[in-house]
Amino acid sequence: DGGITQSPKYLFRKEGQNVTLSCEQNLNHDAMYWYRQDPGQGLRLIYYSHIVNDFQKGDIAEGYSVSREKKESFPLTVTSAQKNPTAFYLCASSIFGMGAVEQFFGPGTRLTVL
Amino acid sequence: GQQLNQSPQSMFIQEGEDVSMNCTSSSIFNTWLWYKQDPGEGPVLLIALYKAGELTSNGRLTAQFGITRKDSFLNISASIPSDVGIYFCAGLTGANSKLTFGKGITLSVRP
Repeated sequence: DGGITQSPKYLFRKEGQNVTLSCEQNLNHDAMYWYRQDPGQGLRLIYYSHIVNDFQKGDIAEGYSVSREKKESFPLTVTSAQKNPTAFYLCASSIFGMGAVEQFFGPGTRLTVL
Repeated sequence: GQQLNQSPQSMFIQEGEDVSMNCTSSSIFNTWLWYKQDPGEGPVLLIALYKAGELTSNGRLTAQFGITRKDSFLNISASIPSDVGIYFCAGLTGANSKLTFGKGITLSVRP
């Protein structure tokens, strides 16, 4: 079955540690996205990538980093510079190009920093 | 920046009732998407709208792309308990695929 996987589902880290969240898709989508969701808030865009080896900052990129070495994978690192990292993180992907804008989401990773 | 407004934040309905949600903006959007999110899960795409005035159905769900291109509506008919969740609208203004999301409406259905 095609889809987007995120692992792990729950992640606990100590304050000051970097942590990397995994996102893999087998939909052959060009574009991938990372969002952060806090209670009562909409989804806020952290980083996005439209093509391998290229990515752009979203609205709240500070304290985060990404890489896009393979089309299928778009890992997100939450660094110690992120002041309030506890949140629900969602990865999404889409076909990039005119007329195809639907984004499909993974199941999310809930990060708790203690 | 662009904002999508969804209100109220929460809605409570009785099983079997119809419910309508809207999403408004001061900006024009070329595409509207409606997503549903179950607790602890990722959002699932319900309906996509591409043309002003477009009316699209998906089972008991019907969504419309407003004529002004500044709003969209989602209707759920004959609600059932599994309709519980958060409903997000999202809009796209251009071809760069950066979506703007509303804050969502949490729907509760009383049996």
